[in-house]
Parts: sequence; structure tokens; C-alpha cells
Amino acid sequence: DVKVTQSSRYLVKRTGEKVFLECVQDMDHENMFWYRQDPGLGLRLIYFSYDVKMKEKGDIPEGYSVSREKKERFSLILESASTNQTSMYLCASSFYRRGLGNTIYFGEGSWLTVV
Amino acid sequence: GQSLEQPSEVTAVEGAIVQINCTYQTSGFYGLSWYQQHDGGAPTFLSYNALDGLEETGRFSSFLSRSDSYGYLLLQELQMKDSASYFCAVLNRDDKIIFGKGTRLHILP
Repeated sequence: DVKVTQSSRYLVKRTGEKVFLECVQDMDHENMFWYRQDPGLGLRLIYFSYDVKMKEKGDIPEGYSVSREKKERFSLILESASTNQTSMYLCASSFYRRGLGNTIYFGEGSWLTVV
Repeated sequence: GQSLEQPSEVTAVEGAIVQINCTYQTSGFYGLSWYQQHDGGAPTFLSYNALDGLEETGRFSSFLSRSDSYGYLLLQELQMKDSASYFCAVLNRDDKIIFGKGTRLHILP
């Protein structure tokens, strides 16, 4: 079974703190994604990566950065957490199969509360 | 820009059939996927359409019309466990996967 593991299920951080959300996948997938999910807004793409050290901005990259030093690991970084970043964060991965279908597999999510 | 539109909520009766529509506007369209998410869980893949027509997987079917930028998910023989949120998602040429806001499916006994 494909496994996408997010390091923390629940976090509470203070405004201004630097926050790291870690994600590891065990299927040798090329693509990895970070989404945030908020009620009524669905899943919004923050960043994605199609290869090691490569990254592309999604729809809402402001206030976030990412790091992909190894193929299996994709980290989301909040440089200075703010209360409007309180949300559930979902990591996902998929094979690079453009045009042939792109099933993505999600981690269980990280619930971040910024106080 | 790109956008996906789907109804926010749909209600149906157990044993019935329900259709969840999705219209999209995007550049570099490759395909349309559907995902299911139960409360507290992660989204899971249901189906993918790259070509026009109907794809059937058990009780679930998905349809795509590329010329109309439209697709739907059809759920038959509804069961209570089908109560969940359903998301359509567009795969673009640049490998981005963009999701709609989701449709909450309520099933009445």
C-alpha cells in the first residue's frame, strides 16, 4: 500500500513561530504536493514539486516555503506563523504520468492551530 | 485563471442514484478526477477521465465532456457509508492538480 506520512497530526504554535510540517512517501513518487483545507474552500494548492530540489507555486504560496532535498520527503515551512494559517494541511504524492491519469495519495493531514 | 464549480451540498435517499456535477475552466486541461473524503479522513481517489465518455467502477461512474468543460460523478444504489464530501479535481498540463470546493453528500434512510 502507498503510504504518505505526515510527521504531526496536531500542532499548536504561537504567532511568529517558524513551523515545519514534514511529509514522507514510500512509493518513489516523483510528484509531491502541499494543500490546505478550510471549510467551504475545499483543497487549495500551496506548492508542489515534481523532482528533488524543484518546486512550483500553487494558488496560495504566500507565507509558505517548501523544501525537497530527497525524493521521498517534502517539507512545508511557515516562516512566521500567523493566525490566518490555522488550517488542516494535507500532503500528497503521485507518479509523474502526465496525460495518463494522475492518482494522488494523501497523508492523514496535520491540524495546525496558530494562537 | 482556473476554477471548478460543483454544488456545495446534495441530499439523496438510501438506495437511490445521485449525480454530482462539476464544471471547470482551466488552461492546459488533461483530465478530471474525483475524490471522496469522509469526515476526519484524507481524500481518496475514486476515478479519472481523460477522454469523453463514461467510466464505470462498481457503483460509481464518472463522465467527462471536454467540449463542454463538464463532468459528473454518478453514485448508484446509495449506501449510508457514501455520506461524505466529493471533490472534482483537474489535472493540468503542468502536472498541477486543482480541486473544487467539494460537494457534501447527505444520505437519508
